[in-house]
Amino acid sequence: EVQLVQSGAELKKPGESLKISCKDSGDGFTSYWIGWVRQMPGKGLEWMGIIYPRDSDTRYSPSFQGQVTISADKSISTAYLQWSSLKTSDTAMYYCVRQWSVAQLERRYFDLWGRGTLVTVSS
Amino acid sequence: DIVLTQSPGTLSLSPGERATLSCRASQSVSSSCLAWYQQKPGQAPRLLIYGASSRATGIPDRFSGSGSGTDFTLTISRLEPEDFAVYYCQQYGSSPPWTFGQGTKVEIK
Repeated sequence: EVQLVQSGAELKKPGESLKISCKDSGDGFTSYWIGWVRQMPGKGLEWMGIIYPRDSDTRYSPSFQGQVTISADKSISTAYLQWSSLKTSDTAMYYCVRQWSVAQLERRYFDLWGRGTLVTVSS
Repeated sequence: DIVLTQSPGTLSLSPGERATLSCRASQSVSSSCLAWYQQKPGQAPRLLIYGASSRATGIPDRFSGSGSGTDFTLTISRLEPEDFAVYYCQQYGSSPPWTFGQGTKVEIK
């Protein structure tokens, strides 16, 4: 059974940098897109962006463009979400998700979710 | 961006009852590109319904989705104890960003 295995919880200070990861346990990492979804404490879900690991094609939500960087290393089947300077407002749970296609509308849903990485930013 | 509005915010029902959740879009959702996800406390969301009405793998048939255009519904025919959770709709038919509704909590009455 394919899983998206996310890195562990992080406690950081404002202004620090951070890179969290999402590893695909299967062998299809370059066959689909990997996205990131934010859930702030007690709130709903927000789509942040996606990457196609085969060629690193990346798309961002306007709300997150310039705030985070999404990347991937296909040699180790791992996607990343990165901040250069964290804010307290970045405190949230971050989920990685699998999305089979962007071009085909009917295959854009998120059929597999990681368990999430809790990021806490506090001074 | 397409805004999804879910109603009600909270639904208080007893096990065995029928649950009807609504998701309304601010503009028409292309090709019924509408999904429903279930999230239990402390867990990641999981896909229930895609394409407005197709059940994801392993989802019991008491869950059904319907609708098109701007109005969509998730129905749980008979609530089981494990169904009490928060449910989110999501549209993925437009250009990004692909947006979620704010969620409906189904709680035990």
